[in-house]
Amino acid sequence: AQKITQTQPGMFVQEKEAVTLDCTYDTSDQSYGLFWYKQPSSGEMIFLIYQGSYDEQNATEGRYSLNFQKARKSANLVISASQLGDSAMYFCAMRGWNDMRFGAGTRLTVKP
Amino acid sequence: SAVISQKPSRDICQRGTSLTIQCQVDSQVTMMFWYRQQPGQSLTLIATANQGSEATYESGFVIDKFPISRPNLTFSTLTVSNMSPEDSSIYLCSVDWGRDGVNYGYTFGSGTRLTVV
Repeated sequence: AQKITQTQPGMFVQEKEAVTLDCTYDTSDQSYGLFWYKQPSSGEMIFLIYQGSYDEQNATEGRYSLNFQKARKSANLVISASQLGDSAMYFCAMRGWNDMRFGAGTRLTVKP
Repeated sequence: SAVISQKPSRDICQRGTSLTIQCQVDSQVTMMFWYRQQPGQSLTLIATANQGSEATYESGFVIDKFPISRPNLTFSTLTVSNMSPEDSSIYLCSVDWGRDGVNYGYTFGSGTRLTVV
C-alpha cells in the first residue's frame, strides 16, 4: 500500500529566505508520480510541482523545486525567496496507477 | 488544465438532513474523484466515479451515506446523507489533468465547506 509521510506539522521561515518541506513515501509501484499542493485558508488545492518516478532531473517551477532522492524515497519541496503569500498548508501526494494519496500536511508560516 | 466549478462553496446544515454537492468540468473526463478533508486533517478519498458505472468507494465510506451520481463525462454529484456534526468537513472533487502527454495528477474544485449543526 502507498504511504506518504510529512513529519513537520508546522514550519516557520523568514520572508525572503528559503525553506525545505520534507516528504517521504513508500510504494511498491515502479511507476508513480509525486506532487506538491498548496492549500491556503480558502480551502482550494493549488498544484505546485510534479516529479515522475523516472525523471532523472529534479523538477522546478519558478520558486519551487523538488529535491527527489529516489533511493531514499524522499521528495522534499524547496521554496526559495519566501513571500508572505506562501503562508499556507502544503501537502505532498503520490499518484499510483489509479488514485492519489496525500500526506498529513505541513503548515508553513512566513514571518515578515 | 481542466476547470472545475464546484457548488455550493459553503453551507450550514441541520443534522439529519442531506446536502448535494455538484461538480461541473469544462472538458470530458473519464474519472472523477471525491475527497473529504476533516478539520485540520489531510485529504481522504471517498470514492471514484466513472461515467456509466457504480462509484467505487474506499474503505470506511458507503453508498447509503455518500451516494454519487455521474450522469455524463462532465458532471458529478456527491450527496452527504443524514448528516451529523462529524460530517463537518471540506469536500472536494477532482479530475486528472495532463500536459504534453504527461499526467500531472489532479486538479481540484474550489471545495465545499460544510458545517453541520
